[in-house]
Amino acid sequence: SQQGEEDPQALSIQEGENATMNCSYKTSINNLQWYRQNSGRGLVHLILIRSNEREKHSGRLRVTLDTSKKSSSLLITASRAADTASYFCATPMDTGRRALTFGSGTRLQVQP
Amino acid sequence: DTGVSQDPRHKITKRGQNVTFRCDPISEHNRLYWYRQTLGQGPEFLTYFQNEAQLEKSRLLSDRFSAERPKGSFSTLEIQRTEQGDSAMYLCASSLGMFVEAFFGQGTRLTVV
Repeated sequence: SQQGEEDPQALSIQEGENATMNCSYKTSINNLQWYRQNSGRGLVHLILIRSNEREKHSGRLRVTLDTSKKSSSLLITASRAADTASYFCATPMDTGRRALTFGSGTRLQVQP
Repeated sequence: DTGVSQDPRHKITKRGQNVTFRCDPISEHNRLYWYRQTLGQGPEFLTYFQNEAQLEKSRLLSDRFSAERPKGSFSTLEIQRTEQGDSAMYLCASSLGMFVEAFFGQGTRLTVV
């Protein structure tokens, strides 16, 4: 069953601005992952944050995790036109063998 | 190893025909996943293999869909008697173990006319 849902569904910003996307999920998780997808392409893994971590950085990306609120955020600082893509959070399913389940994504448009 | 590869990249078929897609995962990865994605939506889980064993199938996977992973290497996904509603991007992913990052292929875009 799908767990994560991203907010907003779409976001348009100017180059150089920061972009923040949020993800909410329903049940307890071991970890939460963020992926990026360029139009018509496969998904690329960005960052994984474990349930005992509150914040993680990777280059211009900053991810936070609040397990008490069952939510996560992805911040992209100093955005570039090349950051234009869809961004998905993914969590292990709450049943079975824990395959990843994805939300419907945030479509980010960075205007040059 | 250059990552997960999927073949073909695009497939157009007539309604009622059978189609088969292939996925070659990263060689040492023991877990392989199939997902389906429609426009504007996130990937939906279809099925999962650990080595050659198919351990989980989504309720989305009707009896027209079958997947195999012989010898725990490449995998095939077959759709029999295709319907227009099967039109989607079919994504394959692999990972080394549980609760780690998954690596995705570029997908196979299926159009049923």
